[in-house]
Amino acid sequence: ETGVTQSPTHLIKTRGQQVTLRCSSQSGHNTVSWYQQALGQGPQFIFQYYREEENGRGNFPPRFSGLQFPNYSSELNVNALELDDSALYLCASTLSGANVLTFGAGSRLTVL
Amino acid sequence: GENVEQHPSTLSVQEGDSAVIKCTYSDSASNYFPWYKQELGKRPQLIIDIRSNVGEKKDQRIAVTLNKTAKHFSLHITETQPEDSAVYFCAASATDSWGKFQFGAGTQVVVTP
Repeated sequence: ETGVTQSPTHLIKTRGQQVTLRCSSQSGHNTVSWYQQALGQGPQFIFQYYREEENGRGNFPPRFSGLQFPNYSSELNVNALELDDSALYLCASTLSGANVLTFGAGSRLTVL
Repeated sequence: GENVEQHPSTLSVQEGDSAVIKCTYSDSASNYFPWYKQELGKRPQLIIDIRSNVGEKKDQRIAVTLNKTAKHFSLHITETQPEDSAVYFCAASATDSWGKFQFGAGTQVVVTP
């Protein structure tokens, strides 16, 4: 059984650029949730994908968007990057209806 | 929406002492309360969880208590060890919001030998 994997692990972008982060869910998990963790803060829920559709969204602007693929893997896209987008982006997978999250190691984004 | 407050933000304890972290939540629909441990540079790891139909749950040196009436829950670590040093997060969610958690801001626990 494989865990949740994320790529890239680290990346640096400049303001105004766009970024795509990727996540492969744990084997058997069909739901992916994305969280943003700023330095010294708890994870903040961005959105969740289930059956290839967005299934709930936190308080994040539309420039944060995502996709889920038939194999349950997911992407997080952020357009028009701002300095405050610098954070650790965590992907977590679960089985639909179950509340136990399995987190990936995260992608650390730095926006200069 | 749900709001979870966590206290204290930092906690220093001597090895062998107990540590207690407290969280409060606002949404009456919340019924699942996990606790995560995050070591520096690592992913959050689930250490214990409790559901609203239970008042207390214990797993070796770790226990969690839930007071639904007061809307607060607590993590208790007994006989602390240096490897317990980490950031601990509480979280809350409701059944119809599976996978969508509101996290507390975290507690940095430092266990000194």
